[in-house]
Amino acid sequence: AQSVTQLGSHVSVSEGALVLLRCNYSSSVPPYLFWYVQYPNQGLQLLLKYTSAATLVKGINGFEAEFKKSETSFHLTKPSAHMSDAAEYFCAVSVGNDMRFGAGTRLTVKP
Amino acid sequence: GAVVSQHPSWVICKSGTSVKIECRSLDFQATTMFWYRQFPKQSLMLMATSNEGSKATYEQGVEKDKFLINHASLTLSTLTVTSAHPEDSSFYICSTGQGAYNEQFFGPGTRLTVL
Repeated sequence: AQSVTQLGSHVSVSEGALVLLRCNYSSSVPPYLFWYVQYPNQGLQLLLKYTSAATLVKGINGFEAEFKKSETSFHLTKPSAHMSDAAEYFCAVSVGNDMRFGAGTRLTVKP
Repeated sequence: GAVVSQHPSWVICKSGTSVKIECRSLDFQATTMFWYRQFPKQSLMLMATSNEGSKATYEQGVEKDKFLINHASLTLSTLTVTSAHPEDSSFYICSTGQGAYNEQFFGPGTRLTVL
């Protein structure tokens, strides 16, 4: 079965600094990979998805992620953090209708 | 992406009562919907997969008789928490799996508090 591991339950950056949220996956077949963001007391919003069309995926709000098969990674980055980026971020992997989420990484942005 | 709504957004009930949560797909017909549960500062836990016109498929450890799911139409799935107890207090989120690459689109969630 597929799974994802998010390294770091909490990441804190200064406003304007680089954001790097780490995700490693495990799958016996080529996976689809996703990053979702969740603001307090809200559902999940899709940031971006990897579908094998391109290894570097650009998403909304300036985020992007790079699929590295050799490292089984799909890390999320943003060049310059904004206060509004503070939220919980979930990496997910799906095979068919079966989607599995990582434990989540809480991003804090300091002024 | 698809637009999914949930109602109510929050509910407080007394122990022993039943609570119904609605999940609606507003702009497409959803043959499959998913129900998740999320505890504070934790990830989403899949409870069940709701299939239009047939019985839901429950994950291991989820009580079918306690969490009743009905998917009677292509736009509505409901989750009823029967005889709710304080340990059922949680954030319940529904989603659809209609994305071209199996991405899911989530509702805003329902916070249930059982007193």
